[in-house]
Amino acid sequence: DVVMTQSPLSLPVTLGQPASISCRSSQSLVHSDGNTYLHWFQQRPGQSPRRLIYKVSNRDSGVPDRFSGSGSGTDFTLKISRVEAEDVGVYYCMQGTHRPPWTFGQGTKVEIK
Amino acid sequence: QVQLVESGGGVVQPGGSLRLSCATSGFTISGYGMHWVRQAPGKGLEWVASIRSDGSNKYYADSVKGRFTISRDISKNTLYLQMNSLRAEDTAVYYCEGRSDAFDIWGQGTMVTVSS
Repeated sequence: DVVMTQSPLSLPVTLGQPASISCRSSQSLVHSDGNTYLHWFQQRPGQSPRRLIYKVSNRDSGVPDRFSGSGSGTDFTLKISRVEAEDVGVYYCMQGTHRPPWTFGQGTKVEIK
Repeated sequence: QVQLVESGGGVVQPGGSLRLSCATSGFTISGYGMHWVRQAPGKGLEWVASIRSDGSNKYYADSVKGRFTISRDISKNTLYLQMNSLRAEDTAVYYCEGRSDAFDIWGQGTMVTVSS
């Protein structure tokens, strides 16, 4: 199974400042079809998860453009250009290239300093 | 309005069974891969089971294989998870999710507690 490793696991940030979360996979996430099935999810406190980014860098509908995803192979990053109060929560990366199983990272908790 | 609503959770003794349902509206489950994902109290997300959009294949996490069964009723636009031989470690909030390349939606979750 592909192991997804996120860092940091806790990220205190100042409002208006940028934030970055790393996600590394134990093997390349490039699929034989040429796509890379690496997605990012946000889970606000007390809420269901919500997908933010699909296939590395594509924002889902309604996701603010301060969120961006990048990376390739085994190394991926989620960036928030200017953190807002509503961005507090836990962020997960997930791979769907080598499925089953679909595997999630441990989660990164973003909180305001 | 697109919506997924899970039901069927509750408290069950070890070894017992439950059937979870995920009713959808504004959304046709036959057009999407459908998934069950769970979250134990205070823990992260764990994939449980999936069914392809064409219904041709079903997939299960090793931790539930042979005990859980995913199914769907196209006429009712509803996804199910039959859970048998439940264990304490199955205690979690269970979410259903509909996913495609450019679309993703989650339900509000239903809590399953396995305890004597």
